[in-house]
Amino acid sequence: QKEVEQDPGPLSVPEGAIVSLNCTYSNSAFQYFMWYRQYSRKGPELLMYTYSSGNKEDGRFTAQVDKSSKYISLFIRDSQPSDSATYLCAMSEQNDMRFGAGTRLTVKP
Amino acid sequence: GAVVSQHPSRVICKSGTSVKIECRSLDFQATTMFWYRQFPKKSLMLMATSNEGSKATYEQGVEKDKFLINHASLTLSTLTVTSAHPEDSSFYICSARDPGGQETQYFGPGTRLLVL
Repeated sequence: QKEVEQDPGPLSVPEGAIVSLNCTYSNSAFQYFMWYRQYSRKGPELLMYTYSSGNKEDGRFTAQVDKSSKYISLFIRDSQPSDSATYLCAMSEQNDMRFGAGTRLTVKP
Repeated sequence: GAVVSQHPSRVICKSGTSVKIECRSLDFQATTMFWYRQFPKKSLMLMATSNEGSKATYEQGVEKDKFLINHASLTLSTLTVTSAHPEDSSFYICSARDPGGQETQYFGPGTRLLVL
């Protein structure tokens, strides 16, 4: 079993849809959880950073962490074509970071 | 967030030559940087951890004599792909730890290497 599982997609949604991206993990020691957005042929860009369980909202983006279920989510409201990218989840424990495979998202106008 | 740059953004070289990729932290000091490799439509593969003033720590299966890492200053780490071969063609990305102490990393824009 991989340490971090993420459905690679691809995921295609119409503009304005709510997008839900998810990762599961096996290491209960992870304390820090991140979502990165990566456009084609670019480096990953940090979108959301959360510590332990709970929700964090930033504009159209909401990150949720459920440590009891070892499950994290990223929600994108009112999705836009510019949101089309690969979204990578990442988690860390004592600066040892692990990444998901990334989910390719396409938002169609 | 912290800014990390990479140079060059793209490089094409002949088989057998060496290529150097630079990774710089632009507005902060980075005692630790990371080098990743990414194949098309795949996730990031950590190659090595670069520590300022000491030897890099390589992940299992990564040849340290093939991928030379130098972290000579607090703002610069270099990755040299020695005697490059077509199978070394890939997207190489560096990152640096958050200078504010958060357990996260900031990534450079990546370098696309094509070995002919």
